[in-house]
Amino acid sequence: DQQVKQNSPSLSVQEGRISILNCDYTNSMFDYFLWYKKYPAEGPTFLISISSIKDKNEDGRFTVFLNKSAKHLSLHIVPSQPGDSAVYFCAASARSGAGSYQLTFGKGTKLSVIP
Amino acid sequence: SQTIHQWPATLVQPVGSPLSLECTVEGTSNPNLYWYRQAAGRGLQLLFYSVGIGQISSEVPQNLSASRPQDRQFILSSKKLLLSDSGFYLCAWSLAKNTEAFFGQGTRLTVV
Repeated sequence: DQQVKQNSPSLSVQEGRISILNCDYTNSMFDYFLWYKKYPAEGPTFLISISSIKDKNEDGRFTVFLNKSAKHLSLHIVPSQPGDSAVYFCAASARSGAGSYQLTFGKGTKLSVIP
Repeated sequence: SQTIHQWPATLVQPVGSPLSLECTVEGTSNPNLYWYRQAAGRGLQLLFYSVGIGQISSEVPQNLSASRPQDRQFILSSKKLLLSDSGFYLCAWSLAKNTEAFFGQGTRLTVV
């Protein structure tokens, strides 16, 4: 059973518009969430994270929103640029308890930003 | 600054042959080390993690094994590869008390 779900395998957005990538989770113990960006044949790179005590974290063009009651988070990219075209992975962790450093990943969403 | 090296970048191996992928981390001590696999349509699956030399935990039963002979070295092995072992293997590290993991460039393994 997947604990982190990215239900949209792909997303196409026009350059300059907003990209919204969604992620849902089922494990109530998750209290730390991360987004990674991955280009083909490369390792994922860390983008942005959010703790469960917050509902928003912003870093430049990237903003992550967390809705704990809905067990939902989203990554907003504004404005979208062609270089943002990549696969985006949502990840979650339960920071307390044994194995608290382990990340559980979603299947990823492939973002294509059209010039 | 910390860096992670993973090799080889690509590998084509016949079924039944052994496997050894190596990963090393520089610029930090006593990192947590991880092996992930990205298979088509399956996202990133954690295979093994290690919190110290000689300490290996396996997340899923499989045809693979891992070893950590030195503090900053993590090796993924198999005695006999299966077709289903094909995939993109990623090594990663994190600080002991942090969650953010930093990934290597990955190894594309094709078993033929």
